[in-house]
Amino acid sequence: EVQLVQSGAEVKKPGESLKISCKGSGYTFTRYWIGWVRQMPGKGLEWMGIIYPGDSDTRYSRSFQGQVTISVDKSISTAYLQWSSLEASDTAMYYCARVSNLQTYYFDYWGQGTLVTVSS
Amino acid sequence: NFILTQPHSVSESPGKTVTISCTRSSGSVASNYVQWYQQRPGRAPTAVIYEDNHRPSGVPDRFSGSIDSSSNSASLTISGLLTDDEADYYCQSYDAGHPHWVFGGGTKLTVL
Repeated sequence: EVQLVQSGAEVKKPGESLKISCKGSGYTFTRYWIGWVRQMPGKGLEWMGIIYPGDSDTRYSRSFQGQVTISVDKSISTAYLQWSSLEASDTAMYYCARVSNLQTYYFDYWGQGTLVTVSS
Repeated sequence: NFILTQPHSVSESPGKTVTISCTRSSGSVASNYVQWYQQRPGRAPTAVIYEDNHRPSGVPDRFSGSIDSSSNSASLTISGLLTDDEADYYCQSYDAGHPHWVFGGGTKLTVL
C-alpha cells in the first residue's frame, strides 16, 4: 500500500527555522517525483515545488523560489520542506503528494498534511 | 502562464446532478490533462478524476469528467448527489511553458 506519512504539527516563532518531512512507503521511492502543496487557512491549494528522489532534481514555483528549500534523503525514503527564517505568513497546512508520472502530472497519493503555525 | 477559474460555490439537492466548471485562461484546455480533487473539511485532497475523465480505483461512477474545447474548460459532474459529497473540489492542470502545476481556486459544493 502506497503511503506518504508527514511529520507532526509545528508551532514556531517568526525568524525560526523549520524542516518538515514526508516519508514514502509501499513503492519505489526513487522513481516518483514528490511535490509540496501549501494551503493557507481557508484558502485553496498552491503548488510549491517538486523533487525527483532518484537524482534530487528540484523545480520550484516562481512564487516559492528562494523562500523554501526542498530536499530528499533517498536512503530513508523521505522528502523535506524547509525554511531558514519563518514568517507569520507561512502559517498554513503543507501537503506532500506523489506525482504519478510526467505525462499526466497527476498527484495520485497525498500525505496527511503538516500544520505549521508561526506566531510570536 | 494560465490560470484555472472555478465558481466559488455550488449547491444542489440530494439525488440531483451538479456540474462544476474549470475554465483555462489561455492556451488549450486539451493540451494538458485536467485532474479533479475532492477535499473534505480537515482532510487531505484525494483525486476523483485524472487525465480529464478517468476515475481512480474506488471512486464511484457517479463522478465523471470532461473537457470542452469550445469553452476551453473542463467539467466535473457528480450525479445522484449524496450529503457525503459535500466538500471542496479543485481542478488541476500543468503549464508546460514554465514547468508548473496549476490549481483552480476551488469550488465549495453544498448538498442540501
